[in-house]
Amino acid sequence: SQQGEEDPQALSIQEGENATMNCSYKTSINNLQWYRQNSGRGLVHLILIRSNEREKHSGRLRVTLDTSKKSSSLLITASRAADTASYFCATGYKLSFGAGTTVTVRA
Amino acid sequence: DVKVTQSSRYLVKRTGEKVFLECVQDMDHENMFWYRQDPGLGLRLIYFSYDVKMKEKGDIPEGYSVSREKKERFSLILESASTNQTSMYLCASSLSGIKRGNTEAFFGQGTRLTVV
Repeated sequence: SQQGEEDPQALSIQEGENATMNCSYKTSINNLQWYRQNSGRGLVHLILIRSNEREKHSGRLRVTLDTSKKSSSLLITASRAADTASYFCATGYKLSFGAGTTVTVRA
Repeated sequence: DVKVTQSSRYLVKRTGEKVFLECVQDMDHENMFWYRQDPGLGLRLIYFSYDVKMKEKGDIPEGYSVSREKKERFSLILESASTNQTSMYLCASSLSGIKRGNTEAFFGQGTRLTVV
């Protein structure tokens, strides 16, 4: 069964606003990863956060991890039209994905 | 740059045909994956391989088999294609072995398979 579940399913924001999406998972993890998928393409790795880390930054991305709640969040700051994509979290050695959050950034 | 190459971008096959989807990676990765992606369902793992000739079933292995005879190549086989196997198929590879957890995975561009 799928390990990660993203929330919300879809998000529409204005350019320049922040976008936040959440991921919940079921079992203990070594790390959690976030990926982006532009329409009809393969996935691109964004960031990996280890189980002993609470927060990690990469450019305009901020990821948090709360292992006690089995949840993670991805924040995209100052969004751009190019951020329009689907975002997925993934966990486990078999790299299990959720259904994803579709983000639309309006100009 | 790591490259994961899927043999076809688009494929149309007839019901009952045996279909081979090929995936090749060029970075000596131990792990390779096959997923299918359907609208609203995200990526569902079909099979996972952590070494040559080693494989594990994913969430939806029924109707599929895999082959990994060489480290760089992971093939997905639809033994007898059916219309409900019409989907986007994604291949991925990653460096770490099964006991060390996973690291960044690299994806191919996907094969959109239509079974008619």
